[in-house]
Amino acid sequence: QVQLQQWGAALLRPSETLSLTCAVSGGSLSGHYWSWLRQPPGEGLEWIGEVNYSGNLNYSPSLKSRVTISVDTSKNQFSLKLTSVTAADTAIYFCARERLIYYYMDVWGKGTPVTVSS
Amino acid sequence: EIVLTQSPGTLSLAPGERATLSCTASQSIRSNFLTWYQQKPGQTPRLLIYGASTRATGIPDRFSGSGSGTNFTLTISRLEPEDFSVYYCQQSDKSPRTFGRGTKVEIK
Repeated sequence: QVQLQQWGAALLRPSETLSLTCAVSGGSLSGHYWSWLRQPPGEGLEWIGEVNYSGNLNYSPSLKSRVTISVDTSKNQFSLKLTSVTAADTAIYFCARERLIYYYMDVWGKGTPVTVSS
Repeated sequence: EIVLTQSPGTLSLAPGERATLSCTASQSIRSNFLTWYQQKPGQTPRLLIYGASTRATGIPDRFSGSGSGTNFTLTISRLEPEDFSVYYCQQSDKSPRTFGRGTKVEIK
């Protein structure tokens, strides 16, 4: 059974770079897209972007200028970097597996709460 | 981007009652690219329905999805205590993937 374990810094100051990693266990990166999403406190879900095994990328236009998603096939991991964070980036960040058929997210990481505060 | 509007924002019902949740898209979506998730407080979203009407593995048959074009519906035929939660629709027909703001189903 595929599981996603995610980690990264939980407290950042404004202008710093958010960096999170998601490790895939029980399965391979190949054959799927792998997404990052976030959920601000008390709000809904926002899709940040996705990457596949080959490194093909797709970003949300609203975050594209600050986001980098990458994949490390040797470690079966994928990562998120978000530069120049502000308080508006405070959220729970999730990684998720996207099925290639219909692109729904069927496996989720537990989420990493990230707070941006001076 | 495609905007998904979920209604109502909150649905107050008693256990055993039927819940009907709506998701309206700002433009037509191919049905196979509409998904429903359930999220309980402090938990990760859980896949319920994909392809507008296909239940995910392990999802009880009291949950059903329907719709096409711009109008989609999630129905819970008889609410169980564990069904009181927030439900989100999501489209993956066009990038960026987008979610509705959610419908909270609360105990009346």
